[in-house]
Amino acid sequence: GENVEQHPSTLSVQEGDSAVIKCTYSDSASNYFPWYKQELGKRPQLIIDIRSNVGEKKDQRIAVTLNKTAKHFSLHITETQPEDSAVYFCAALLNSGYSTLTFGKGTMLLVSP
Amino acid sequence: ETGVTQSPTHLIKTRGQQVTLRCSSQSGHNTVSWYQQALGQGPQFIFQYYREEENGRGNFPPRFSGLQFPNYSSELNVNALELDDSALYLCASSFDRGIGELFFGEGSRLTVL
Repeated sequence: GENVEQHPSTLSVQEGDSAVIKCTYSDSASNYFPWYKQELGKRPQLIIDIRSNVGEKKDQRIAVTLNKTAKHFSLHITETQPEDSAVYFCAALLNSGYSTLTFGKGTMLLVSP
Repeated sequence: ETGVTQSPTHLIKTRGQQVTLRCSSQSGHNTVSWYQQALGQGPQFIFQYYREEENGRGNFPPRFSGLQFPNYSSELNVNALELDDSALYLCASSFDRGIGELFFGEGSRLTVL
């Protein structure tokens, strides 16, 4: 099965700084890589995703990069704001007759004003 | 379009009891996946239902079972509850086994005493 490793587990930045979260996956057949933001007591919400035929995708202050050869992908948040504080999860989707998302363990991002 | 709804939002059970959690999928979605999220961890795949049939299962024992109904709503049943079953149970709906975004409900937080 798929295994996803996520680093760092916690990340503290000052408002306006950039934040980078990195994930690696094990199964080269995985073809879809979403990132979820989860605020305390809330549901995970998709913030950006990338498919395996694309190397980079950007949406305003958020970008994701994918290196298929190295089997790693990263989330980049620029100009961080206090409301970006949350737990972020990366995931990899392996379609083997059914589609299963395997999640990393999460990164708690704290943005200080 | 209605989102994914789950009930109950919170519940407390004792060891050995049984619990049923319910999920209404997003309008137009025929696939429901259930995930268990222990405190401080990423969601873990329990199983997926597609058109009323179990379509894949994660590493969970048989006392975790489910159903999907003709309207694509779903139930998760857990028998012989153990303390380690305490977690947030997330339901996610998608279209056609989920080659893409999963839409999560707010979850059912189960505490086993």
